[in-house]
Amino acid sequence: GAVVSQHPSRVICKSGTSVKIECRSLDFQATTMFWYRQFPKQSLMLMATSNEGSKATYEQGVEKDKFLINHASLTLSTLTVTSAHPEDSSFYICSATNAIQGGGSFEKLFFGSGTQLSVL
Amino acid sequence: KQEVTQIPAALSVPEGENLVLNCSFTDSAIYNLQWFRQDPGKGLTSLLLIQSSQREQTSGRLNASLDKSSGRSTLYIAASQPGDSATYLCAVRPFNQAGTALIFGKGTTLSVSS
Repeated sequence: GAVVSQHPSRVICKSGTSVKIECRSLDFQATTMFWYRQFPKQSLMLMATSNEGSKATYEQGVEKDKFLINHASLTLSTLTVTSAHPEDSSFYICSATNAIQGGGSFEKLFFGSGTQLSVL
Repeated sequence: KQEVTQIPAALSVPEGENLVLNCSFTDSAIYNLQWFRQDPGKGLTSLLLIQSSQREQTSGRLNASLDKSSGRSTLYIAASQPGDSATYLCAVRPFNQAGTALIFGKGTTLSVSS
């Protein structure tokens, strides 16, 4: 079974509304979660990295006030697209890891099934 | 800045053919390289992971090679089947640090006809 659950899988919303996407790790403690965005025929682009209990680190060009990330527990991270506009329509996917200090030899990385956001 | 390129962008082959997908990366200082499969509108399925110290990995009909010094990896698919139709993504992990994100290529979309 899936170890990272992401939902909704698909959402259609009106321009100006906010959309929340959830990413849950089901059987491990996700110390770090990554949020990616993928436009058609493009690669997955990292938007932000969040560590449990601290503020997310955003990649250059990603508006932190527009894409709110909360990682309040070791099993749940949320991405909220605020005041969504048609140009925000994209495929959003989360990735979770149980990374431990000292290196990645024991690190596992799992991906959610993605959320297709369409803003009308 | 690390960049990952995949060639070709799309590939169509008849069932039964052997094929090779290519991936190149600009900075050879990577920790590992991973090949994923992505079905339309779906998440990612990890196929093979090659550590920087390794030359290749095999799983069933799949074989991935890594030439870190030249910044290249190939994914070989033997005896292709219609069920192999998907987008194949190559991703590198830049360095050995806990919680490091992967850097992805744009993918190769494979179509296998019966």
